[in-house]
Amino acid sequence: EAQVTQNPRYLITVTGKKLTVTCSQNMNHEYMSWYRQDPGLGLRQIYYSMNVEVTDKGDVPEGYKVSRKEKRNFPLILESPSPNQTSLYFCASGTTPSYEQYFGPGTRLTVT
Amino acid sequence: QKEVEQNSGPLSVPEGAIASLNCTYSDRGSQSFFWYRQYSGKSPELIMFIYSNGDKEDGRFTAQLNKASQYVSLLIRDSQPSDSATYLCAVNMDDYKLSFGAGTTVTVRA
Repeated sequence: EAQVTQNPRYLITVTGKKLTVTCSQNMNHEYMSWYRQDPGLGLRQIYYSMNVEVTDKGDVPEGYKVSRKEKRNFPLILESPSPNQTSLYFCASGTTPSYEQYFGPGTRLTVT
Repeated sequence: QKEVEQNSGPLSVPEGAIASLNCTYSDRGSQSFFWYRQYSGKSPELIMFIYSNGDKEDGRFTAQLNKASQYVSLLIRDSQPSDSATYLCAVNMDDYKLSFGAGTTVTVRA
């Protein structure tokens, strides 16, 4: 089954404790991206990747890091989480941003 | 100015009516336009895409694009309770970036 998976689905953590949210797709897509979704603000792009070892900042990259060492995986790293990073996070993949994006199930992160 | 703006909603329509959703975008060079539907607690899913000026119909959904006026709209005909969701407009701003609007929540009253 073609899909994008994210782990964990839910996470409660404390300020400053490094965490990684994993994202994996099995559709051989070159383009992958991370979004955060907050009430009234819609989906805001954090980082995107056009291919292996090619990543770039989206609209809200502060406080986040990503890596793309393999085509299928695109982890999101929060090295020192803060409460303002409490949000719903989605990973997505597609052939390019000009075509359909397939979204993962989402990760709800709470930072206390 | 936000890059992609949608009518704020919420939008409440009776069953069987037409729901009309609007979206404007700031980058005149944008080439690809999408409508995603998101049910509460779920991830977005694509329902329509449009690349050329004019109308594109798919079942009960019609997307309309006017590049000169920089707007794209979505019409939902014969609205059903199952259409109750948040609808997200997305625009491919350049070769690499995809920007979303804040979404319009639609409620279809039975």
